[in-house]
Amino acid sequence: KQEVTQIPAALSVPEGENLVLNCSFTDSAIYNLQWFRQDPGKGLTSLLLIQSSQREQTSGRLNASLDKSSGRSTLYIAASQPGDSATYLCAVRYMWEKKSSGDKLTFGTGTRLAVRP
Amino acid sequence: DTEVTQTPKHLVMGMTNKKSLKCEQHMGHRAMYWYKQKAKKPPELMFVYSYEKLSINESVPSRFSPECPNSSLLNLHLHALQPEDSALYLCASSQGVNGGGGYTFGSGTRLTVV
Repeated sequence: KQEVTQIPAALSVPEGENLVLNCSFTDSAIYNLQWFRQDPGKGLTSLLLIQSSQREQTSGRLNASLDKSSGRSTLYIAASQPGDSATYLCAVRYMWEKKSSGDKLTFGTGTRLAVRP
Repeated sequence: DTEVTQTPKHLVMGMTNKKSLKCEQHMGHRAMYWYKQKAKKPPELMFVYSYEKLSINESVPSRFSPECPNSSLLNLHLHALQPEDSALYLCASSQGVNGGGGYTFGSGTRLTVV
């Protein structure tokens, strides 16, 4: 079974801290991995996309790494700000059993981040 | 245009009503998806359309009926829903299995069944 787990489930930090969110997955035959941000009651905003052949991606204060062999990805947030408070979801893209059926995105359980002023 | 647009943003419906959720994208994506998300849970896949054909139905009850009129539009028809169907319904699109990109999600429709 393809499972995706995120640790920690919740995190509260003071403003300015650097922090790391973890994502682990059980099946290494991934297509790519995507990190999303979700504000309460809102849709998902894509933060970073890492292809299976890549090791990391960076966007501003965000850096995501991928270690396919160990089934792990991390999202690093530098100099955290109160505006970073949200739920962060990692999602692994797998191929369906038949390629003709399409693909599916398997989500992790999420990390709820609160950054205190 | 790099967005997925969902309407309406909020919907309240009775258990005997018929309503529809709409989703639109103009990125040329050939795969479109419906997800259901309950509070404090990750999104759960409901349906996958690939090249305007239904390719995956994740054992969703028949009171949910998807439709893909063309490559840019995706509808979800609702009929005789139950209060436990209240959730955030998310639409997404991607380049599909032959593309290398990620998923783009809409802002969702908050559905309340009374």
